[in-house]
Amino acid sequence: DTGVSQDPRHKITKRGQNVTFRCDPISEHNRLYWYRQTLGQGPEFLTYFQNEAQLEKSRLLSDRFSAERPKGSFSTLEIQRTEQGDSAMYLCASSLVSGRNNEQFFGPGTRLTVL
Amino acid sequence: AQSVAQPEDQVNVAEGNPLTVKCTYSVSGNPYLFWYVQYPNRGLQFLLKYITGDNLVKGSYGFEAEFNKSQTSFHLKKPSALVSDSALYFCAVRDMENDYKLSFGAGTTVTVRA
Repeated sequence: DTGVSQDPRHKITKRGQNVTFRCDPISEHNRLYWYRQTLGQGPEFLTYFQNEAQLEKSRLLSDRFSAERPKGSFSTLEIQRTEQGDSAMYLCASSLVSGRNNEQFFGPGTRLTVL
Repeated sequence: AQSVAQPEDQVNVAEGNPLTVKCTYSVSGNPYLFWYVQYPNRGLQFLLKYITGDNLVKGSYGFEAEFNKSQTSFHLKKPSALVSDSALYFCAVRDMENDYKLSFGAGTTVTVRA
C-alpha cells in the first residue's frame, strides 16, 4: 500500500498523559499536513511541513502540541498533558507541490480518546 | 478568510435516483474547490476538484460537480445513486495565496436506501 499511513489507529489515554502519533506520507510527497476532526465537524487545519520545515501553525495548536518532521519523511504529533477536549480524530495528509496541483491525500486517522 | 457551508446535515435518496449535495464557499480571489468522502472509521477519500477550466468537473465513482461563480457554489451530483454511496461528504476550499490550507464544511451525511 503506497498511501498515507498513520499509527496508532486508536489511542485511549487518561487525562494528563502524553501521547504521540506517527504519520508516514506518500514517499515522494514534499508536504505533510495535520488536521483535527471532532464529532460532527469537518477537519480543521493544525499545521504543515514542507520537507522538514514547519511553515505554518494554526491557533488551534496550543503549546501542549508539538509536531516534527525530521529528515522530511515521517512526522510525529505529540500532545502533552492531554485534556478531555483533545479527544478527536487526528488526520494526516500529504501532497506533492507541483504548480497549482497540490492535491492532499489523507491517511486513515488516529482516533484519540482522553478519559 | 476562507470558509465553506454545507447547508444540509443529511440527504436521503432512493437508489437509482439523482443525488445532490450542496456546497457554497467564501474565499478571496479564485477558489480551488474539492469534494472528499469519508466512510466510517476511515480517512478522507478524494472525489474531485475544480481548479480552472470547465465549470462541470467529473470525478471518481460517477460523481460530478458544477462550479458556479456567481452563486459561489460547488454542488456535488450523481445521476443515479447507489446504496454504496452512503457516507459522509465534505466540501473544501483553498485559496491561491494560502495553498497549504484546506477549509472544510461540516459535512453532509448521505443515506441511499435500497
